[in-house]
Amino acid sequence: GAVVSQHPSRVICKSGTSVKIECRSLDFQATTMFWYRQFPKQSLMLMATSNEGSKATYEQGVEKDKFLINHASLTLSTLTVTSAHPEDSSFYICSARGGRDRTYEQYFGPGTRLTVT
Amino acid sequence: AQKITQTQPGMFVQEKEAVTLDCTYDTSDQSYGLFWYKQPSSGEMIFLIYQGSYDEQNATEGRYSLNFQKARKSANLVISASQLGDSAMYFCASPRGGFQKLVFGTGTRLLVSP
Repeated sequence: GAVVSQHPSRVICKSGTSVKIECRSLDFQATTMFWYRQFPKQSLMLMATSNEGSKATYEQGVEKDKFLINHASLTLSTLTVTSAHPEDSSFYICSARGGRDRTYEQYFGPGTRLTVT
Repeated sequence: AQKITQTQPGMFVQEKEAVTLDCTYDTSDQSYGLFWYKQPSSGEMIFLIYQGSYDEQNATEGRYSLNFQKARKSANLVISASQLGDSAMYFCASPRGGFQKLVFGTGTRLLVSP
């Protein structure tokens, strides 16, 4: 149980275009979802926290107009990178809370590798 | 504020031996927890083990155990009988903001050799 999927797993896009990444909790209702960004050989950095039905809370330094987060249902959150630039190339990972077991645990998706050319 | 420190950028161990990965934390919270995650080259984050500050005994999950020393503010991960598949990045993390957000350490890359 407690499986989180992400789609796509890899995406290449041209500079200036927008990219949408989906994060789904497959077998539980995720009251809270988190979006992280990870540069090569670095740690995960939290970008934003989203609760179902409310606006996302962004971490300091993260542009909310550039990284649009929508948590429309208890099983789906989306991250849209708008007007992507090469510096947005990174590994994006989502996680979800609200599993039936320990509520402090976050279940991670497999990640999405974004390359902006 | 929560701060997690992993001072070992890389560790090497031979197969079947035990290895300890260090993690220290800095918190003023009375109640807190420590997680360890494994990240293989595929990128997925795999939950390994959790210890709460009020847990009296050190947590164990199979070959993973947590050497939790509150006075030293350390929560080291011990992997016994290392396997080649244990080669990966290992991150220590702790929640902040009422167990909402996870703060991660910089990670330790473990390489298990035959």
